[in-house]
Amino acid sequence: AQSVTQPDIHITVSEGASLELRCNYSYGATPYLFWYVQSPGQGLQLLLKYFSGDTLVQGIKGFEAEFKRSQSSFNLRKPSVHWSDAAEYFCAVGGTGGYNKLIFGAGTRLAVHP
Amino acid sequence: DAGVIQSPRHEVTEMGQEVTLRCKPISGHNSLFWYRQTMMRGLELLIYFNNNVPIDDSGMPEDRFSAKMPNASFSTLKIQPSEPRDSAVYFCASSWGHNEQFFGPGTRLTVL
Repeated sequence: AQSVTQPDIHITVSEGASLELRCNYSYGATPYLFWYVQSPGQGLQLLLKYFSGDTLVQGIKGFEAEFKRSQSSFNLRKPSVHWSDAAEYFCAVGGTGGYNKLIFGAGTRLAVHP
Repeated sequence: DAGVIQSPRHEVTEMGQEVTLRCKPISGHNSLFWYRQTMMRGLELLIYFNNNVPIDDSGMPEDRFSAKMPNASFSTLKIQPSEPRDSAVYFCASSWGHNEQFFGPGTRLTVL
């Protein structure tokens, strides 16, 4: 069955520190992979996506993610976190066939200390 | 583009009342999704439509929930009768093909 695992429920980092949010997926075919961010009281906003090609993808707000097929992972990174990055982050996987249904992870809540 | 539009943004109702949530997807998108988000269960897909046709409603909790998409620019999610456990944030999202889903701002529903 298709699934997405985000092992870390909460992460706290200091402003200016680097960040890595983990995402592992289970999918039987070539996946489409996404990272979304949700600020309090807001909807989900797309940070970046991977469909094919270069396994290191750049997104908005200085985020990047790397697709590693051998590890079934799609970890999100940022070299220097800003206080405004405090939010909840969701990893999602979709398929290349059929309709665009996404499977979301449970989310990782990021807190940023000044 | 105005993005996905949802109304109302907040709804407070009493148990047993009918609730109707509305969504206008992004023009040109052919898929529409309804999600529910709670602290306990996270983000759950309730139903999705493709070209106005319901494709998968396996996430709809029970018969009290129904969704329609009469045309490409409008969808409703109805709860009748509502119960306190239906309190949640309901999101609508739309997409085209296999591209990313664009989410609306959500409707925060409180059932007293």
